[in-house]
Amino acid sequence: SQTIHQWPATLVQPVGSPLSLECTVEGTSNPNLYWYRQAAGRGLQLLFYSVGIGQISSEVPQNLSASRPQDRQFILSSKKLLLSDSGFYLCAWSVFVGQPQHFGDGTRLSIL
Amino acid sequence: QKEVEQDPGPLSVPEGAIVSLNCTYSNSAFQYFMWYRQYSRKGPELLMYTYSSGNKEDGRFTAQVDKSSKYISLFIRDSQPSDSATYLCAMSLNSGGSNYKLTFGKGTLLTVNP
Repeated sequence: SQTIHQWPATLVQPVGSPLSLECTVEGTSNPNLYWYRQAAGRGLQLLFYSVGIGQISSEVPQNLSASRPQDRQFILSSKKLLLSDSGFYLCAWSVFVGQPQHFGDGTRLSIL
Repeated sequence: QKEVEQDPGPLSVPEGAIVSLNCTYSNSAFQYFMWYRQYSRKGPELLMYTYSSGNKEDGRFTAQVDKSSKYISLFIRDSQPSDSATYLCAMSLNSGGSNYKLTFGKGTLLTVNP
């Protein structure tokens, strides 16, 4: 069966520090991968998606970037975190685009 | 008009009650209809999905799609305290091409009281 792993579960970072969140999927090949941010009362916001290695599409211009160095690995990064980057970050995968997605357990990021 | 609207609740019911959760949508081209359950501080878990229209049943859960009314529902029978969570509906266009997005409702917070 397929599983998705995200780490760390929680992270506290100072303003201006770099960020790297990692997501890996097991049990499937060539998944479509997604990064979301979930803010209270604002629902799920799609940040990036990837249909293959090195292929990244950005939904919202912002202080974040994404990379996919391997088939089942998706990384969310920032060079300098802002207070507004605080939130709950979720990684997800799907077999085909537009089909139901499966989520990891997320990373709760707090910026101080 | 928002693409997907979902009553945020909160909804509080006694154990054993039948729960009805609903979403309305405006885009008649949606083909996939999904329900997710999200426990506090966890990621959303895919509960059920249907393609196009009709009903789907899985244990105590039933998902219904009424495309003529642009309305979807999730029914939970014999609700349990373990069902207490936020329920999110989501929809998407047919797969392929640039139709990659899921459009989510904002979620309904459900509490089942023992």
